[in-house]
Amino acid sequence: LAKTTQPISMDSYEGQEVNITCSHNNIATNDYITWYQQFPSQGPRFIIQGYKTKVTNEVASLFIPADRKSSTLSLPRVSLSDTAVYYCLVGDTGSARQLTFGSGTQLTVLP
Amino acid sequence: GAGVSQSPSNKVTEKGKDVELRCDPISGHTALYWYRQSLGQGLEFLIYFQGNSAPDKSGLPSDRFSAERTGGSVSTLTIQRTQQEDSAVYLCASSLMGIEAFFGQGTRLTVV
Repeated sequence: LAKTTQPISMDSYEGQEVNITCSHNNIATNDYITWYQQFPSQGPRFIIQGYKTKVTNEVASLFIPADRKSSTLSLPRVSLSDTAVYYCLVGDTGSARQLTFGSGTQLTVLP
Repeated sequence: GAGVSQSPSNKVTEKGKDVELRCDPISGHTALYWYRQSLGQGLEFLIYFQGNSAPDKSGLPSDRFSAERTGGSVSTLTIQRTQQEDSAVYLCASSLMGIEAFFGQGTRLTVV
């Protein structure tokens, strides 16, 4: 399993863009990069998934450089409700085993 | 059902008693995962099922923990002779292969 490294915590202010970077130096050819969000007292929720370059949905963007050894989750114009723990996962989507969560990044959005 | 359902939502048990936690995955999802999360901590992977089989049980903390899945659907996590350190939220998730995983609301287990 590819190991991931994320910052433990980040602070931001409402309305700012937040970028959370995840390192995954040992990513394999078949691995995808997936981000989840977890609010207190809830299970994690899928945000976005990508393989290379850039992926965008209604919630976030995911930037993946050509070497795929890192990825950046970008949250545009955050609000207080975006305060949560964000997890980066790396694994083969064809394999159910590859769903191991690291420590995550605690994002705190301040007013 | 529309989502992953876990029961009970809360369970208080006495030390030494056995408990069973149930997970109803999304219909048609072949993969099912169990995690444990202690207060303020990350998700600890316990076990996953592909269909009814569990290829990797190494995440189970001790031989007091066991899990089964029947009919490729419902899964039960059993903890025997519960200890206070077993107190945590137990989360279940299901997915269609390894793509987007959907989590239940969890079972909060308190061992007193």
